[in-house]
Amino acid sequence: GAGVSQSPSNKVTEKGKDVELRCDPISGHTALYWYRQSLGQGLEFLIYFQGNSAPDKSGLPSDRFSAERTGGSVSTLTIQRTQQEDSAVYLCASSLQAHTGELFFGEGSRLTVL
Amino acid sequence: TQLLEQSPQFLSIQEGENLTVYCNSSSVFSSLQWYRQEPGEGPVLLVTVVTGGEVKKLKRLTFQFGDARKDSSLHITAAQTGDTGLYLCAGAEVTGGFKTIFGAGTRLFVKA
Repeated sequence: GAGVSQSPSNKVTEKGKDVELRCDPISGHTALYWYRQSLGQGLEFLIYFQGNSAPDKSGLPSDRFSAERTGGSVSTLTIQRTQQEDSAVYLCASSLQAHTGELFFGEGSRLTVL
Repeated sequence: TQLLEQSPQFLSIQEGENLTVYCNSSSVFSSLQWYRQEPGEGPVLLVTVVTGGEVKKLKRLTFQFGDARKDSSLHITAAQTGDTGLYLCAGAEVTGGFKTIFGAGTRLFVKA
């Protein structure tokens, strides 16, 4: 596609429910990132995929968070047993090559946990 | 994990004024990027600096990479209301597979 696509754009869920957030990166981009942004704050690194290498999961805040990338393209971020502190905007980005550091972002998925 | 510190966190100025935003780290980065983010949207890349001492200009914006590749600055000349937004610096770590991390951002508000 022309840009990074994320869905859903908004998700409201109840505490304790599981949620899945999807990211469709720019075609041909080998690196894919997930970040979390709380209101008015910077971007918190969550996880990063580069080609066929094992993902860097060092930013995932707890074992309730997981992500996968199928076929080197689409990625899904899953949050199990959601908590109110999980409420944030989840941003996905892709990059042609990770070492360039030049990321192209989607518009984000806003998650609200009641 | 390397850290990027941005200052100031918040800046409110009058249209026409100049300003500088700083991004500092104790570690070396292979490159540094500056992004601008508007409400409800993802960050948009403004520039990448790679070489120590490099200066890049983008219209009224001037970006500089420190000689040691540990810090960077963004200078805006004659700010306009359209410059309002969140400015983020980011760096690709030299270890751990070039993971990109972000500073906390500088929120700029330019008043008419």
